[in-house]
Amino acid sequence: GQNIDQPTEMTATEGAIVQINCTYQTSGFNGLFWYQQHAGEAPTFLSYNVLDGLEEKGRFSSFLSRSKGYSYLLLKELQMKDSASYLCAVREGRLLDTGRRALTFGSGTRLQVQP
Amino acid sequence: EAGVVQSPRYKIIEKKQPVAFWCNPISGHNTLYWYRQNLGQGPELLIRYENEEAVDDSQLPKDRFSAERLKGVDSTLKIQPAELGDSAVYLCASSLAGTAYEQYFGPGTRLTVT
Repeated sequence: GQNIDQPTEMTATEGAIVQINCTYQTSGFNGLFWYQQHAGEAPTFLSYNVLDGLEEKGRFSSFLSRSKGYSYLLLKELQMKDSASYLCAVREGRLLDTGRRALTFGSGTRLQVQP
Repeated sequence: EAGVVQSPRYKIIEKKQPVAFWCNPISGHNTLYWYRQNLGQGPELLIRYENEEAVDDSQLPKDRFSAERLKGVDSTLKIQPAELGDSAVYLCASSLAGTAYEQYFGPGTRLTVT
C-alpha cells in the first residue's frame, strides 16, 4: 500500500514563494506527480519526477528525493489564480516502467493566495 | 483537441436508486481510469481499463458498482443501488498508450444521494 502526506492548508502572499511538501511511503515507486485542482474543476497536470533532483517549468518547480520519500512543489511569483488545491500523487510499479498504472493521491494542500 | 468528456455534470438521486455516468476519453487514449473524489480528499482509483479490458478493479465495490468499456472507447460506470455514502465526484481520466506521464482528467460528475 501507499501512504502520502501533505499539509492540509497553506496561506501565502501574492508575489511571494511557497513550498508545498509531500512525503510518501510506498511498496514500489515509479514516479511522483503534482496536480493542481481549482474548486469544482478537474485536476490538471503540473509536474512529474521519477529521478532525484529538481524539475523546473516556468514559475513551478518540483523536487524529488527517493531515498527520503520526499518531494516538494515550489511556486514562485504567486498570483491570485494560484489559489487552488495541490495534489501529490505516486505511481506504483518498477522504476521507469512505462506501464500506465493508476496514481495514488494525497488528500491535497489547499493554498490560499492573499493580496 | 477535445478533452475528456463526462456527463452528466451533476446528478441528484434518492438512495436505493440506480445511476450511471458516461465518459468519452481523448481520442487515441487506450487507457481509461475511473476515480472517486470525496470532499477534501484526493481522487481514489475505482477501475482502470486498457482498451476494453479492466486490468485493475480491486477498489471497485463490486456488489453495487459496475463498469464497462465496449469497443475500447467510451465507458460507463453504474451504481445500483446507490447509498448515501456514494455522494462524491466521479472523475474519468485517460492517457496515451506507452506514455509514462500524465493522465488527463474530465470535469467529473458530482453525485448527491439523498
